[in-house]
Amino acid sequence: EAGVTQFPSHSVIEKGQTVTLRCDPISGHDNLYWYRRVMGKEIKFLLHFVKESKQDESGMPNNRFLAERTGGTYSTLKVQPAELEDSGVYFCASSQAQGRGNEQFFGPGTRLTVL
Amino acid sequence: QKEVEQDPGPLSVPEGAIVSLNCTYSNSAFQYFMWYRQYSRKGPELLMYTYSSGNKEDGRFTAQVDKSSKYISLFIRDSQPSDSATYLCAMKQGGSEKLVFGKGTKLTVNP
Repeated sequence: EAGVTQFPSHSVIEKGQTVTLRCDPISGHDNLYWYRRVMGKEIKFLLHFVKESKQDESGMPNNRFLAERTGGTYSTLKVQPAELEDSGVYFCASSQAQGRGNEQFFGPGTRLTVL
Repeated sequence: QKEVEQDPGPLSVPEGAIVSLNCTYSNSAFQYFMWYRQYSRKGPELLMYTYSSGNKEDGRFTAQVDKSSKYISLFIRDSQPSDSATYLCAMKQGGSEKLVFGKGTKLTVNP
């Protein structure tokens, strides 16, 4: 069974440009999460989808970030306009369920560099 | 004060050594505790998952939780070069799926 996939694996853009990251969760996983790790810091939660609905978006840093999950399958995370501090690795994860014992499976990440 | 503190290392040990990795936390609402392993250029992979104080063993790995001290540990016995990776502790509260991570400890096991 395929794991969580993310595209692109690496993106280099200039400040002010727009970038869209894509995540394909494991088939059948209703829960999808976005996290990011900026240089030297810990991995931080951005948001959580249940199917197409945002359950928790408390970690979204500001309104330059827009996450969508139309149809409850894949998800996109758009950064517009990108700033230097947005550089980092963006991870997507998915899980079948919630609560006790729930395992989040992570993708390999998209490395975003904003110049 | 950060919610989760983890010494980033790096930690270098000889093959066969026992490795001890630790995290402390400040939020007493955390109920679920995880250890993830991350190889270079890969995503984190779940190693151990516990939700009560005490020990949980899985092969060469033992996870320990002490809720009274807000301290968790991961022990690796008979460490192998293939164990070389970054180890991340993560925690979550009941009723939330938001994982809160430590910074990760980079481990190298030398043959």
